[in-house]
Amino acid sequence: QVQLQESGPGLVKPSETLSLMCSVSGGSIRNNYWGWIRQPPGKGLELIGYIHYSGSTNYNPSLTGRVTISADTAKNQFSLMLTSLTAADTAVYFCARIKPEEWLVFDYWGQGILVSVSS
Amino acid sequence: DIQMTQSPSTLSASVGDRVTITCRASQSVSNWLAWYQHKPGNAPKLLIYKASSLESGVPSRFSGSGSGTEFTLTISSLQPDDFATYYCQQYHSFLYTFGQGTKLEIK
Repeated sequence: QVQLQESGPGLVKPSETLSLMCSVSGGSIRNNYWGWIRQPPGKGLELIGYIHYSGSTNYNPSLTGRVTISADTAKNQFSLMLTSLTAADTAVYFCARIKPEEWLVFDYWGQGILVSVSS
Repeated sequence: DIQMTQSPSTLSASVGDRVTITCRASQSVSNWLAWYQHKPGNAPKLLIYKASSLESGVPSRFSGSGSGTEFTLTISSLQPDDFATYYCQQYHSFLYTFGQGTKLEIK
C-alpha cells in the first residue's frame, strides 16, 4: 500500500518561499508521476503541478514562475517550492500519485498540510 | 479551462438512503471523470475513474455514470462511513479541474 506524507512549515511570512516535502513509502517514486494539489479555505481543489521521477514537470500556468517541483529518487521523496507567497497561497497542500495508465487521476494522496501565509 | 460544477453543495441524508450527486462540465470531457471522497484530516480517496470504473477496494454501493458534460455519483445505501465531502475531477484536458465539492451530512 503506497503511503504519502507531506511535511513542512505550517506558517510562512508573506513574500517568503514555501518548501514542502512529500515522503513516499510502500512503493518507489520511480516509473510514476507525482503531483501537488492545494485547497484554499472554503474553496475547491486546484492542481499545482506534477513531476515524473525522471524530472519532467508541468505546472499550473497561474503559478508558473513561482513554482518548482523536484524529485529525489534516492530518498524516495518529491518536493514543492513556491516563492513570493501571499495570503492567497494559504491552503491545505496535498501530494498525490498519478494512477498508472489512467492519466491524470490521483490514486493515492497524503492527508494534507495546512500552510498559512501571515506576518 | 473546463469548469466543473457539482450539485448540491450540501446534502443531508440518513443511513440506508440512496443518494445521488451530480457533476456538470462546462464542455464535454467524454468519460474522463473521476470521483473522490474526502474526510477532514484524512487523505482523499479515489472512488471512481473513467466515469463508471470502480477503484479497487471501493465498496460496490458506490457507482458512477454519465458522459460528455453530465455525470452522477450514486451511493445505493448510505453507511455511517460515507458521510464526507465528494469531489469530481475531469481529466480530459489540462488543468484537470475539480468540482467545488458536495458535503454529505447526516440528517
